Amino acid sequence: AQSVSQHNHHVILSEAASLELGCNYSYGGTVNLFWYVQYPGQHLQLLLKYFSGDPLVKGIKGFEAEFIKSKFSFNLRKPSVQWSDTAEYFCAVIGGGYQKVTFGTGTKLQVIP
Amino acid sequence: GAGVSQSPRYKVAKRGQDVALRCDPISGHVSLFWYQQALGQGPEFLTYFQNEAQLDKSGLPSDRFFAERPEGSVSTLKIQRTQQEDSAVYLCASSLNPNNQPQHFGDGTRLSIL
Repeated sequence: AQSVSQHNHHVILSEAASLELGCNYSYGGTVNLFWYVQYPGQHLQLLLKYFSGDPLVKGIKGFEAEFIKSKFSFNLRKPSVQWSDTAEYFCAVIGGGYQKVTFGTGTKLQVIP
Repeated sequence: GAGVSQSPRYKVAKRGQDVALRCDPISGHVSLFWYQQALGQGPEFLTYFQNEAQLDKSGLPSDRFFAERPEGSVSTLKIQRTQQEDSAVYLCASSLNPNNQPQHFGDGTRLSIL
């Protein structure tokens, strides 16, 4: 069975600081990887996705993630965070051609002005 | 709007009551998913429909949970004889076709069992 591990449950950063949120998954085959964001009071929204090809994926709002197959990782990065990035971030994986998405437990990011 | 719509947004029920949660997917979306998100956790898969066919219900926690999508569009998640541990946010998501991820999520229904 596939699983997703997010290492940080709560991260606090000052504006303009760099961000890296860890995500590791367990699944031995081909995977599709996602990062979703949930702003306060809003629904889950897709930040970026990896299906195949270039392992460095660029998403919306300046976010990017790098798929490192050998490390089973898909870490999310942003060079300079803004107060508006305050939200909860979920890493997710689909493996084995099944439709079931497995989510991590989420990381709450708080950006201090 | 053209997003996934869920109703009600909030539901409070007494333990033992039955509840029904509704999901209107994006028009034309073939795939529909239900997830349960407990406090402080990520969403957990409950069940998956492709059109009206329920292809995977492995995530339903007990036989008190039942989902249907009779005409391949609107879906209802029903919970019978609710228990306190059923308190959670129930999320619905849809995608255009089985090979076209990602899924688009609704705002969820927050269910509280007293």
